[in-house]
Amino acid sequence: QVQLVQSGAEVKKPGASVKVSCKASGYTFTSYGISWVRQAPGQGLEWMGWISAYNGNTNYAQKLQGRVTMTTDTSTSTAYMELRSLRSDDTAVYYCARELGTTPGAFDIWGQGTMVTVSS
Amino acid sequence: QSVLTQPPSASGTPGQRVTISCSGSSSNIGSNTVNWYQQLPGTAPKLLIYSNNQRPSGVPDRFSGSKSGTSASLAISGLQSEDEADYYCAAWDDSLNGPYVVFGGGTKLTVL
Repeated sequence: QVQLVQSGAEVKKPGASVKVSCKASGYTFTSYGISWVRQAPGQGLEWMGWISAYNGNTNYAQKLQGRVTMTTDTSTSTAYMELRSLRSDDTAVYYCARELGTTPGAFDIWGQGTMVTVSS
Repeated sequence: QSVLTQPPSASGTPGQRVTISCSGSSSNIGSNTVNWYQQLPGTAPKLLIYSNNQRPSGVPDRFSGSKSGTSASLAISGLQSEDEADYYCAAWDDSLNGPYVVFGGGTKLTVL
C-alpha cells in the first residue's frame, strides 16, 4: 500500500542539527512532491517547505530559510529534511506528506511523524 | 497567530450537523482552493476535503466543504462519536512572503 515511513525520535541539544528521513513505498516516488509539516506540542500545524521528487526543486517557508534543507534520494525513494541551529522552539513532531498530484497544497498521504526534542 | 482563522472549539450531539468556519484573505482563500484535515488524538493528519469540496476516496459523504470569497466551511452531518478530533483548514498563500501553505489554528470538535 501507499505509505511514508519516517525515521525515529531524536533528542538534540540547542545549536545542533537533525536530519529526518521519509521513505516512500507503493507509488512512483518521482511523480509527486513531498512537503514537511511540523506540530509543536499542543499546537497547530506549520508548513515548513516542499520538494519536488522529480527534479529536486524546493520552496521553503520564509521563517526557516537558511536553517532548513530538503533533499531526496530517488534511488531509495527517500526524502530528507535537515534543520540546523536547533532551538527549544523547534521541539515538535515533524511529518512528511505527499502532495496530491492534481491539487498543490493538498497532502493525501502522511508519514507517522518523528518527534524531535531540543533540550540542553 | 495563524494566517487562517478558525474557531478554537465546536461541539454537537450525535446525529447533529456541525459547521466549522475558516476565514482568510485575498492572497490565500480568495485566490486558491481550500483543503481540510482531520487529526485524531495522537495520529497524523488525514486529508478530509481538497479543492474546496472534493472528498478523497474513503471519506464518508457526511463530510462536505464549501468556499465563498475569502472564507470556507466544513460541514459534518450525522455527527458520530468517532468524529471527535481536531480539524484544520489549509490553503496556498500568494503573498510577498510566499508562495507557501498556510493552516488555520485548528478547531477541536467535541461530540457531547
